[in-house]
Amino acid sequence: DAKTTQPNSMESNEEEPVHLPCNHSTISGTDYIHWYRQLPSQGPEYVIHGLTSNVNNRMASLAIAEDRKSSTLILHRATLRDAAVYYCILNSGAGSYQLTFGKGTKLSVIP
Amino acid sequence: DTAVSQTPKYLVTQMGNDKSIKCEQNLGHDTMYWYKQDSKKFLKIMFSYNNKELIINETVPNRFSPKSPDKAHLNLHINSLELGDSAVYFCASSLGTSGWGDTQYFGPGTRLTVL
Repeated sequence: DAKTTQPNSMESNEEEPVHLPCNHSTISGTDYIHWYRQLPSQGPEYVIHGLTSNVNNRMASLAIAEDRKSSTLILHRATLRDAAVYYCILNSGAGSYQLTFGKGTKLSVIP
Repeated sequence: DTAVSQTPKYLVTQMGNDKSIKCEQNLGHDTMYWYKQDSKKFLKIMFSYNNKELIINETVPNRFSPKSPDKAHLNLHINSLELGDSAVYFCASSLGTSGWGDTQYFGPGTRLTVL
């Protein structure tokens, strides 16, 4: 799987938007961009994924650059419960059975 | 209803012992996984099973033996436990192959401590 680069940590104030960046300059045409998060002492949790177009769901939005070499996970209003490690993962097409986790970004939310 | 469950949640044992961790998913998924998260928090794939068949075995010592009695269960048996096996082990499942935008659902983890 292609490599991703994320900042080690970020901080946000509660109830403010958070933009978590991810660079993936070697992304291939069939790579989906997945985001997972891991809350303290819990298993990873799916957040969102996309291929080319921006995506929205109840948890977050995913903005994908036109050249697909970077993406941004957007939490519209950070809550204390959003404090977690966020992983940006590229997943190639059919037959790719594993998620390759990097170091992720540790998000701290300040009350 | 818990989608992916693991037992036990905590496991403390002596070096040299044999232990098992059980995983069950009630999502009707075809593919199940075991991941290991070490003390530095890196999550790494260990095994993947699709329809009870081993798909991935990522350079894991043969002391680790996964067993899938049916599509809903993937158990992990560890022989001759070593100190370095101490970690949190996560089970996960997905509908298909985790390509094409497939999503993985993770269990709560089993914290294994080898003394």
